[in-house]
Amino acid sequence: GQQVMQIPQYQHVQEGEDFTTYCNSSTTLSNIQWYKQRPGGHPVFLIQLVKSGEVKKQKRLTFQFGEAKKNSSLHITATQTTDVGTYFCAGRSNFGNQKLTFGTGTRLTIIP
Amino acid sequence: ETGVTQSPTHLIKTRGQQVTLRCSSQSGHNTVSWYQQALGQGPQFIFQYYREEENGRGNFPPRFSGLQFPNYSSELNVNALELDDSALYLCASSVRDREFGYTFGSGTRLTVV
Repeated sequence: GQQVMQIPQYQHVQEGEDFTTYCNSSTTLSNIQWYKQRPGGHPVFLIQLVKSGEVKKQKRLTFQFGEAKKNSSLHITATQTTDVGTYFCAGRSNFGNQKLTFGTGTRLTIIP
Repeated sequence: ETGVTQSPTHLIKTRGQQVTLRCSSQSGHNTVSWYQQALGQGPQFIFQYYREEENGRGNFPPRFSGLQFPNYSSELNVNALELDDSALYLCASSVRDREFGYTFGSGTRLTVV
């Protein structure tokens, strides 16, 4: 079945440093979504990417969808304490049903 | 607009018992997906309901079953509970075939002892 892996599993950064998480799917995706889950919370939708090579920005966050539509990345510039949480990518297969498969997640902690 | 509401928030059950978890969709959403999230893991897809029918299922045994009602609310039922069923159960609503993300509820924390 479809697998979605993320690296790194954990990332500790000093406040103000940049952060990047990478997402790789075993199958081609029709789209990719990114979610943030704060400690003790639930996933909150951040953004969706649909087109091959697409890049979208939300303030300090930059999201990219790979040309082959099998990988994606999230980059945060100048991290702040409010960025703490686990970031998940989630993809929907071209060939499957409506199932949205979540990645393994990257847990970001900020050192003040 | 109201978000996704799940009940109860916490639950403790004994191995072998049965449990029913409930979810009210966000207004205007017609599709409900259920996920199981073990501690430190990503959400695992259980199944999805659309128009009161199951519309896709993950790798979960038949003792995990669900319902969707005409008002788009949903239930997740788990029979013969096992210790490994202890997890956060998340409900997410969406609009089928619309290209935007899921809205998740706060989840039900199930502990099986």
